[in-house]
Amino acid sequence: KQEVTQIPAALSVPEGENLVLNCSFTDSAIYNLQWFRQDPGKGLTSLLLIQSSQREQTSGRLNASLDKSSGRSTLYIAASQPGDSATYLCAVRGHNAGNMLTFGGGTRLMVKP
Amino acid sequence: KAGVTQTPRYLIKTRGQQVTLSCSPISGHRSVSWYQQTPGQGLQFLFEYFSETQRNKGNFPGRFSGRQFSNSRSEMNVSTLELGDSALYLCASSLSGGGVETQYFGPGTRLLVL
Repeated sequence: KQEVTQIPAALSVPEGENLVLNCSFTDSAIYNLQWFRQDPGKGLTSLLLIQSSQREQTSGRLNASLDKSSGRSTLYIAASQPGDSATYLCAVRGHNAGNMLTFGGGTRLMVKP
Repeated sequence: KAGVTQTPRYLIKTRGQQVTLSCSPISGHRSVSWYQQTPGQGLQFLFEYFSETQRNKGNFPGRFSGRQFSNSRSEMNVSTLELGDSALYLCASSLSGGGVETQYFGPGTRLLVL
């Protein structure tokens, strides 16, 4: 059974700092890994999708990497801003799971001005 | 292009009642999945529908059911509500549910069971 873990569970940083969020998964037989952002009480916004054959994806100040063999992904946020404050979730789609995503518990990020 | 929409956004029910939630996927998307989000369990997969057929199901009791219509809109129903069913219910859509596709989530329906 796939298990996804995110560390740290919460993070507080001053504005302007570069930061790394971690995601690990137990079964490397995945189609892809997706990073989401969730604002309090809201739905999920897709940030980046990395296919299993890819090593990284970039969008603006965000860069996500994937090491499938070791079961790890990182989300790098450059020059953090208060507007980046949210919960960040990673999710994997396994080979034998249909269209089901297995989510980590999330990292709650606060960027202080 | 409009995003995934869910109705209603908020709902208050009492134990024992039943509830129906609705999800309209992005135009052209035929796969709709449902998730339950609670503080204790996080995000958990309920089921997925494609072309009006349930294609995959998570580990939830039979009180949770769903269906999909020919226009890809989906509904989920929870019967005999329990306090523990209080949660944010999210639906996600994708083109066909293929392995390389991004899934897009709606804003969710927040259900409170009293």
